[in-house]
Amino acid sequence: EAQVTQNPRYLITVTGKKLTVTCSQNMNHEYMSWYRQDPGLGLRQIYYSMNVEVTDKGDVPEGYKVSRKEKRNFPLILESPSPNQTSLYFCASRRGPDSNQPQHFGDGTRLSIL
Amino acid sequence: ILNVEQSPQSLHVQEGDSTNFTCSFPSSNFYALHWYRWETAKSPEALFVMTLNGDEKKKGRISATLNTKEGYSYLYIKGSQPEDSATYLCAFQVSYNTDKLIFGTGTRLQVFP
Repeated sequence: EAQVTQNPRYLITVTGKKLTVTCSQNMNHEYMSWYRQDPGLGLRQIYYSMNVEVTDKGDVPEGYKVSRKEKRNFPLILESPSPNQTSLYFCASRRGPDSNQPQHFGDGTRLSIL
Repeated sequence: ILNVEQSPQSLHVQEGDSTNFTCSFPSSNFYALHWYRWETAKSPEALFVMTLNGDEKKKGRISATLNTKEGYSYLYIKGSQPEDSATYLCAFQVSYNTDKLIFGTGTRLQVFP
């Protein structure tokens, strides 16, 4: 089944404790992105990657890191999480530069930073 | 700063009513406009990706139109059903050689039986 898989689905942690949210897709998509969703603000893009070893900042990259060492994986790293990073996070993938290809979203990760 | 606006913010309709909502986006440097349907506790699912001015797309009772010259897209739902209750998101794709998408804040639709 074609899917984007994120782990964990839920995480409660404390300020400053490094964490990684994994994302993997099995559709051989070139493009992958991370979004955060906050009430009243909609989906905001954190980082995106258009190929292995190619990443770009989205609208809200501060406090996050990403890497794309393999085509299928795009982990999101919070080196020193803070309470303002409490949010719902979505990973998404897209086939590539074709104009009519939509995003495929993972199920989301709800992160609470205390 | 590129801005995508959706209106209304929320909508309550009776089962059987037809409804529509708007997505406004920058009319310059248009590449594509995406529509997604997002049910509570699930992930957003793609409805349409539209690229050409005057484009019309349809999926069952849901259809969308696109006007790139004036920078808006309409989403229509004919004969709304309770299962149509969801948040409808649009996203503006900035150009061909980027995966940068700018999302609106969505229109939350609730359909009462």
